[in-house]
Amino acid sequence: KQEVTQIPAALSVPEGENLVLNCSFTDSAIYNLQWFRQDPGKGLTSLLLIQSSQREQTSGRLNASLDKSSGRSTLYIAASQPGDSATYLCAVGAAGNKLTFGGGTRVLVKP
Amino acid sequence: GAVVSQHPSWVICKSGTSVKIECRSLDFQATTMFWYRQFPKQSLMLMATSNEGSKATYEQGVEKDKFLINHASLTLSTLTVTSAHPEDSSFYICSALVGNYEQYFGPGTRLTVT
Repeated sequence: KQEVTQIPAALSVPEGENLVLNCSFTDSAIYNLQWFRQDPGKGLTSLLLIQSSQREQTSGRLNASLDKSSGRSTLYIAASQPGDSATYLCAVGAAGNKLTFGGGTRVLVKP
Repeated sequence: GAVVSQHPSWVICKSGTSVKIECRSLDFQATTMFWYRQFPKQSLMLMATSNEGSKATYEQGVEKDKFLINHASLTLSTLTVTSAHPEDSSFYICSALVGNYEQYFGPGTRLTVT
């Protein structure tokens, strides 16, 4: 059974600092890995999707890497802003398009 | 981009009653939708896969007779929580599959059972 872990569970940084969020998974037989953002009481916003054959994806200040063999993905957010404060979730995609989510990292960017 | 809506956004019901939650794909057709549950300060857990025109597939540990799923059209899936109890209070989120692997999520429905 796939297990997804996110460390740290919470992170607080001053504005402008780079953010590094970690995600690990136990079963390397994945189809893809996605990073989502969730604001309090809201649904999910997709940030980046990395196919199993890819090593990284970039979008603006966001960069996500994937190392299937070691079961790890890292989300980098450059030059953090207060608006980046949210919970970030990683999810591993498997057969049947089923997603297994990590517990999330709550991020607070202080102005 | 693809938009998924949910209705209601929040609902309070009494223990023993049933509640229906709707998930709609607004600008596209979705043959497959997913239902997730999220308890406070926890992550999302997949409950079931909803396929248009066929029976839903439930994850292990999810009672199909308690959580009734109907995907009667290409734009609508419904989740009915039957005989709700306080332990069913949670945040329910649906998603719709676009293409082969991308899921677009709804805004969620907060259910409180008193």
